[in-house]
Amino acid sequence: EIVLTQSPGTLSFSPGERATLSCRASQTVRSISLAWYQQKPGQAPRLLIYAASTRATGIPDRFSGSGSGTDFTLTISRLEPEDFAIYYCQQYGSSPPAYAFGQGTKLEIK
Amino acid sequence: QVQLVESGGGVVQPGRSLRLSCGASGFTFRTYGVHWVRQTPGKGLEWVTGISYDGSNKYYADSVKGRFTISRDNSKNTVFLQMDNLRAEDTALYYCAKESGSSISLDYWGPGTLVTVSS
Repeated sequence: EIVLTQSPGTLSFSPGERATLSCRASQTVRSISLAWYQQKPGQAPRLLIYAASTRATGIPDRFSGSGSGTDFTLTISRLEPEDFAIYYCQQYGSSPPAYAFGQGTKLEIK
Repeated sequence: QVQLVESGGGVVQPGRSLRLSCGASGFTFRTYGVHWVRQTPGKGLEWVTGISYDGSNKYYADSVKGRFTISRDNSKNTVFLQMDNLRAEDTALYYCAKESGSSISLDYWGPGTLVTVSS
């Protein structure tokens, strides 16, 4: 079973700054199976990035994903006020078939 | 537009059963897998179960295996989650989510339905 670790649990930034969020897997993950989600209070998660680096439909280009193997990164190039939320990475494994989520990183306003 | 709406949540005693439904619209339901993901208040996301587009493959988290059963009715654009022998630790907001056509990510989610297991 693959475990995804997101650290730190909380990051503080000011609007306009660049934020880099980390997701580390306990074993090698196929890039095609790595996704990132954003969740705001009282809302369902929203898909941001799939296949490690492909933006989902309608996602602004200030969001980008990168990484391979066990280390993946979500970068927000210039933080907008609406970007302060919780971000989760997620991986799909095929043996056995299952999804795993990281514990989330909360992006808060400094 | 794509919509998923969960229903059937409520308060139930430990050991009892509950059946959740996820109604879908705005896409060709019979061609996509659907999953249930739960979230404990104030905590993170936990994948629960998933079902393939035709219902032939079903997958479960170890925490619910043998107690929860996922099924779907493609004629009614609905996925079901039968939850038996409920425990306090099953208390959560349950989301249904649709698989993306271009990857195995979950591209649309419902607003969720709250399940509370308490005596």
